[in-house]
Amino acid sequence: QAVVTQEPSLTVSPGGTVTLTCGSSTGAVTSGRYPYWFQQKPGQAPRTLIYDTNTKPSWTPARFSGSVLGGKAALTLSGAQPEDEADYYCLLHYSGVGVFGGGTQLTVL
Amino acid sequence: EVQVVESGGGLIQPGGSLRLSCAASGLTVRSDFMSWVRQAPGKGLEWVSISFPDGNIKYADSVKGRFTISRDESRNTLYLQMNSLRVDDTAVYYCGNREVRGQGTLVTVSS
Repeated sequence: QAVVTQEPSLTVSPGGTVTLTCGSSTGAVTSGRYPYWFQQKPGQAPRTLIYDTNTKPSWTPARFSGSVLGGKAALTLSGAQPEDEADYYCLLHYSGVGVFGGGTQLTVL
Repeated sequence: EVQVVESGGGLIQPGGSLRLSCAASGLTVRSDFMSWVRQAPGKGLEWVSISFPDGNIKYADSVKGRFTISRDESRNTLYLQMNSLRVDDTAVYYCGNREVRGQGTLVTVSS
């Protein structure tokens, strides 16, 4: 089974920009892996921020964007807000089977 | 409003069976990408299974042969039949489509 890798933790200043990445042990990530990004705050269910690389549900703030960059899936947060402090999980698909990364704990400080 | 509500969790002994339900509103289970993911206490998310609109189904290796995903079109409900449960299946189970997740249902496997 493929292993999906994420930064364990990142810190961003309020108003700053940060990029979270999502790599695959099988090689470069492309849109064909249908990358998802989930946000989870303590005690809450995860919610989808991005799916299929860069598609956003209606509730996803415009400051979040998804892409494939340098062989990895990427989630960019531009203009970080205190409420963006959370765990972020990426999900990649391998012939229809999903594999989550270990998550990135994002601190806004 | 699109919503899913999971139910059916509980305490079960190792080797037992449980069926989780995911009642959907505002979406059609039959024609959507419906999946289950889980989260063990204090751990990250783990993908479990998916039912595609064309009827194709996939499972994580960790549950293949033990879990079965299905859908009832008349009830607009997704199910997860879990057999031969193990202690490491203990988790909150979340269902949903590409955009929406429910609040989850807790499954505890313990003797």
